[in-house]
Amino acid sequence: AQSVTQLDSHVSVSEGTPVLLRCNYSSSYSPSLFWYVQHPNKGLQLLLKYTSAATLVKGINGFEAEFKKSETSFHLTKPSAHMSDAAEYFCVVSDRGSSNTGKLIFGQGTTLQVKP
Amino acid sequence: ETGVTQTPRHLVMGMTNKKSLKCEQHLGHNAMYWYKQSAKKPLELMFVYSLEERVENNSVPSRFSPECPNSSHLFLHLHTLQPEDSALYLCASSQGGLWNEQFFGPGTRLTVL
Repeated sequence: AQSVTQLDSHVSVSEGTPVLLRCNYSSSYSPSLFWYVQHPNKGLQLLLKYTSAATLVKGINGFEAEFKKSETSFHLTKPSAHMSDAAEYFCVVSDRGSSNTGKLIFGQGTTLQVKP
Repeated sequence: ETGVTQTPRHLVMGMTNKKSLKCEQHLGHNAMYWYKQSAKKPLELMFVYSLEERVENNSVPSRFSPECPNSSHLFLHLHTLQPEDSALYLCASSQGGLWNEQFFGPGTRLTVL
């Protein structure tokens, strides 16, 4: 069965410094992986997705993530944090199941705090 | 309107009331979802509709009743709710397999008094 673990529930960085949000996954086959962002009292917005093409995936707002099969990781990074990046981030793995079944499996979320 | 819209954005109801949440997707997708998001808890998948057929119901209490009249609309009918049902209710849609990326609405913030 597929699963996803976000290794930090809370990350705090200063504005202008790099961001690293860690995610490990478990999958019995080559998965699709996603990162979503949620600002307070808003819905989830897709940041980026990996679907077995290039292992380094670029997303919106300067974020990127690298799929590392040997480490079963899909960490999210950004070179320089902005105050507007403060939000909740979810790592998600797809579970294809069989025929028309399947679902997305969401991590517990990581709260990113950006200090001035 | 674009993307996924939800109405109302905020709802306060008593435990004896009946209300409905509405979701509409303008993306031409064939699957729609209801999620519950409570403070300090993981996102909970409640219901899944694929091609207007309910394909998943994750042991949700019967006081929540979904309805999917067509591929663009999804409702969540609420009756005799409990205070612990207060949460952000998110609607999402996707195209193709249920393992594909989902597009979310802004949510309805529900408070049960």
